[in-house]
Amino acid sequence: DTEVTQTPKHLVMGMTNKKSLKCEQHMGHRAMYWYKQKAKKPPELMFVYSYEKLSINESVPSRFSPECPNSSLLNLHLHALQPEDSALYLCASSLKRIFPGNEKLFFGSGTQLSVL
Amino acid sequence: DAKTTQPTSMDCAEGRAANLPCNHSTISGNEYVYWYRQIHSQGPQYIIHGLKNNETNEMASLIITEDRKSSTLILPHATLRDTAVYYCIVRFIEYGNKLVFGAGTILRVKS
Repeated sequence: DTEVTQTPKHLVMGMTNKKSLKCEQHMGHRAMYWYKQKAKKPPELMFVYSYEKLSINESVPSRFSPECPNSSLLNLHLHALQPEDSALYLCASSLKRIFPGNEKLFFGSGTQLSVL
Repeated sequence: DAKTTQPTSMDCAEGRAANLPCNHSTISGNEYVYWYRQIHSQGPQYIIHGLKNNETNEMASLIITEDRKSSTLILPHATLRDTAVYYCIVRFIEYGNKLVFGAGTILRVKS
């Protein structure tokens, strides 16, 4: 199994809603990532988890709340989002080598989020 | 901030080799060069990565110049399904080895 699975594939939510994005991998990877991609732009890193602990937060607004309940699962909890948060949200995972420059990230196919 | 430079777009005839260049003049000795591609509305797909030596796998070849300041991704026999945005990424140590995407090259394979 070399897949990163993201659910749902599409999500429409209002600005007062609370929703969650889910990401799962069964490759034994110990690093997991959230990226955000606006239309016609490259992906931008949001969060990195290493061994289930948050190691990088790229100054993401608090309306985005990540959670890593175990080594296979990564969630992104959404609350009080704005229309400009509409984007493709990508999850990725990697093995977590001692030297991180020499490890490849595996990406899921993303959740397309629309905030109305 | 990505500090890699790629052409905005390129065209390639189907069946021909596609050669995608990338400049990374500030790369240092322990920093790897990665190539990913993204087909419309899908997640980025890993293609290949290397440090100093040329690399080849089932998808592509990566040619890195001796001074490491530039590299070329080669798709030996491009097909229509290779039409995508191709990202050249250096995992710079000063950025914590993060995978930081630049603008990439839009490759259009034409029949």
